[in-house]
This record gives sequence, C-alpha cells and structure tokens, in this order.
Amino acid sequence: QKEVEQDPGPLSVPEGAIVSLNCTYSNSAFQYFMWYRQYSRKGPELLMYTYSSGNKEDGRFTAQVDKSSKYISLFIRDSQPSDSATYLCAMTPPTNAGKSTFGDGTTLTVKP
Amino acid sequence: KAGVTQTPRYLIKTRGQQVTLSCSPISGHRSVSWYQQTPGQGLQFLFEYFSETQRNKGNFPGRFSGRQFSNSRSEMNVSTLELGDSALYLCASSQGRGRDTQYFGPGTRLTVL
Repeated sequence: QKEVEQDPGPLSVPEGAIVSLNCTYSNSAFQYFMWYRQYSRKGPELLMYTYSSGNKEDGRFTAQVDKSSKYISLFIRDSQPSDSATYLCAMTPPTNAGKSTFGDGTTLTVKP
Repeated sequence: KAGVTQTPRYLIKTRGQQVTLSCSPISGHRSVSWYQQTPGQGLQFLFEYFSETQRNKGNFPGRFSGRQFSNSRSEMNVSTLELGDSALYLCASSQGRGRDTQYFGPGTRLTVL
C-alpha cells in the first residue's frame, strides 16, 4: 500500500465550479503538506504549503489538513480554464525535509 | 531570484549508455533533491544532497548516483541505461532546514532507445 493515496481523477468541471482534490496518507510522521500544480511538460509549481491541521487560504485556493483522519484537501473556487493541470499532493516528515512523498496526481480540466 | 535550472532539457540515449544531468538550485539554497517522474510510477524520490553530502536516498539501484558541488550545484548520473529509465527527471531545491519548501526546476526529459 502506498504511503500517500490521491483521488485519481481525471476531473472535468465547467468554468466557475468549485473543485475538491483529496489525498489520504498512512505515515504519522508526515508533518508538512504541500500541493503542487504541474502543467504539461513543466516542473511542479508549489501552490500551497501548510504544517498544521486546519485551513489555509490563498486567493481562490484553500488547503485543508486533518491530521487525526490523515486526510488533506485542496479546494479551488471559481475555477478557470487556466487551472487545467495535474495537481499533486506531497508530504514530508520534519526529519527529512528534502524527501517528499507524492501522490500520483489528479488531472483537472476546466471547460469554458 | 532566478529559479531552479536544469540542463539539458531533452536527451536521447541508447541502452547501455550513461548520462549526466545537471541542476543549479535557487541562490542560497543548500539542499538539492532529485526525483524521477513516469506515467506509471508518478514522482519518486531518488536522493537528496545537502552541503555536498548525500542526506537521503530513495529505493533506486546503484546505477543512479549523484553529487553536489561546493556552490550547491548538483549532478545526477545514470549508468548502463535501460529502457525503463525513460522519464522526466526533476530537481528541487530548498534551504534544507526547518519548515522548508521545495521548488522544482523544469526537468530533463530522458528518452532511452
């Protein structure tokens, strides 16, 4: 079983929809949680970073972490066609900051 | 600040050859991590270097090796290439301590024929 499981998708939504992307994990040592966006043929771009349970908001993006359930989510409000990409969740234990474990990614398409 | 740069961006090799990939981290970052990304396996951690020392290693065969120089630039080498080594190789840099985040380069796409 993988340490990080990500809802596989793909997801296709109309412009303006609210998108929910989800990951679960099994390793209690994970303390830092990230969401990356990756466009085709590009490197992952850091979107959100959090290290505590609760919500963190940045513009149209909200990252949610529930450590008790080992569950993280990324919400995208008012989705735009430019949000079409693959979204990757990633997690890191504090003792190995340079070694992140990634989910397999969810491909999102936002249709105009 | 300039971002993470990787060279070359594209590479085609044949089985049995070896290849060296290069990564220049963000200025001031001392940690460089390497990842392999394939459609079937996703993003997998190869190794991390911090201050010229390998600090973490993933579950890859010894054909995959790396090093880091005093200016934090890093190289990754793959010897005796196999078809399955075809992938996007990503480099990520960070300050390497505490609550830290990794920033990725654009990757090197390696095709093994």
